Amino acid sequence: EVQLVDSGGGLVQAGGSLRLSCAASGFTFASHWMSYVRQAPGKGLEWVANIKQDGTETYYVASVKGRFTISRDNAKNSLCLQMSSLRAEDTAVYYCARVKGIAVTGAIDYWGQGTLVTVSS
Amino acid sequence: QSVLTQPPSVSAAPGQKVTISCSGSSSNIGNNYVSWYQQLPGTAPKLLIYDNSMRPSGIPDRFSGSKSGTSATLGITGLQTGDEADYYCGTWDSSLSAVIFGGGTKLTVL
Repeated sequence: EVQLVDSGGGLVQAGGSLRLSCAASGFTFASHWMSYVRQAPGKGLEWVANIKQDGTETYYVASVKGRFTISRDNAKNSLCLQMSSLRAEDTAVYYCARVKGIAVTGAIDYWGQGTLVTVSS
Repeated sequence: QSVLTQPPSVSAAPGQKVTISCSGSSSNIGNNYVSWYQQLPGTAPKLLIYDNSMRPSGIPDRFSGSKSGTSATLGITGLQTGDEADYYCGTWDSSLSAVIFGGGTKLTVL
């Protein structure tokens, strides 16, 4: 059974940093692109970042470029999102997610339970 | 303002059919596969449709997807009260090199 377990969320002051983690199991982690998607309270889904199977290629939504870094450790089946220079508008539930298939353009077929990040201004 | 446009809400009676539209452009829907997600209140999204019209294992055939040009449509037949949820379309945008989602559509089963 595919499982993605999100952790690391919490309350942080504006300008601060936070590191989110995702533990993956039940599938060959190194074979999939991975994503982070966020959802602000009462709002819709917003994609944040993607990382290639071997970590050599990454993509980010414009609003987080230069502030967030997605990374992975295939030996530990783990995904991370390092967030810095946090802003109030980064407040959201952050979901770790798996991309279906081998291409970056695939659908997101599994989602973690999400972890809440609250940025106080 | 989302790159993909969905109606904010739709409603229908139990047992009826509803469709949800998703409009984009040539850089996204026009040249990439569309997926659809269901988000029940307080839960993580769930994949309903991928590659425009394919259903993952376990998704009932009451849910269907189609694409024409730069628009896509999710259809739900035999509506049940348990279908009340937010529905999102998503795809890759080749110009932005980014995953994009529609703004979401809230389905109410009256």
